[in-house]
Amino acid sequence: GDSVTQMEGPVTLSEEAFLTINCTYTATGYPSLFWYVQYPGEGLQLLLKATKADDKGSNKGFEATYRKETTSFHLEKGSVQVSDSAVYFCALSVGAQGGKLIFGQGTELSVKP
Amino acid sequence: EAGVAQSPRYKIIEKRQSVAFWCNPISGHATLYWYQQILGQGPKLLIQFQNNGVVDDSQLPKDRFSAERLKGVDSTLKIQPAKLEDSAVYLCASSQTATRVEQFFGPGTRLTVL
Repeated sequence: GDSVTQMEGPVTLSEEAFLTINCTYTATGYPSLFWYVQYPGEGLQLLLKATKADDKGSNKGFEATYRKETTSFHLEKGSVQVSDSAVYFCALSVGAQGGKLIFGQGTELSVKP
Repeated sequence: EAGVAQSPRYKIIEKRQSVAFWCNPISGHATLYWYQQILGQGPKLLIQFQNNGVVDDSQLPKDRFSAERLKGVDSTLKIQPAKLEDSAVYLCASSQTATRVEQFFGPGTRLTVL
């Protein structure tokens, strides 16, 4: 079945460091891909998305490129801030399945000043 | 625009008791989802509604879980009787349609079963 695998956390970085969180997927159709973020004490928020191969999603300095050949959607940011500390979830949605999201297990990011 | 509302935010019950969660989606959103998020895991879909009809309930433990969406707006998720392994955060999300891929999530209800 369809699934998402993320790199395990927690990830601890110093402020202004480069961030990569790996995400790979398995899907039978043509999924849309997402990154959601969950800040401490808050609900899930959509961070960025890509709906077809080679699309790049970007928001708040974060980027991810939909790579069909490697079935990957890695999240990157050039310079992290303390305020980026959160749990990040990679997810996919296959339209033929009615739009439900299938999530990875989440990666906790902690940024130290 | 008001977001997805859920209540209660926290609930503690003993095993074998019953509990109900309420969700009010964003106005005009036809599709409503309930997800279960166990600590340390990603959310898992329990049930999806399109208006007041069920689209997908394949992962809903129907012997103890039930959900309804009367009039295609608010929704209620019930657990009866609860088990220890039901301890989780229950998330409600909505989207304009099933093919409009962006889902908006509520703050969740944290359930602890003792």
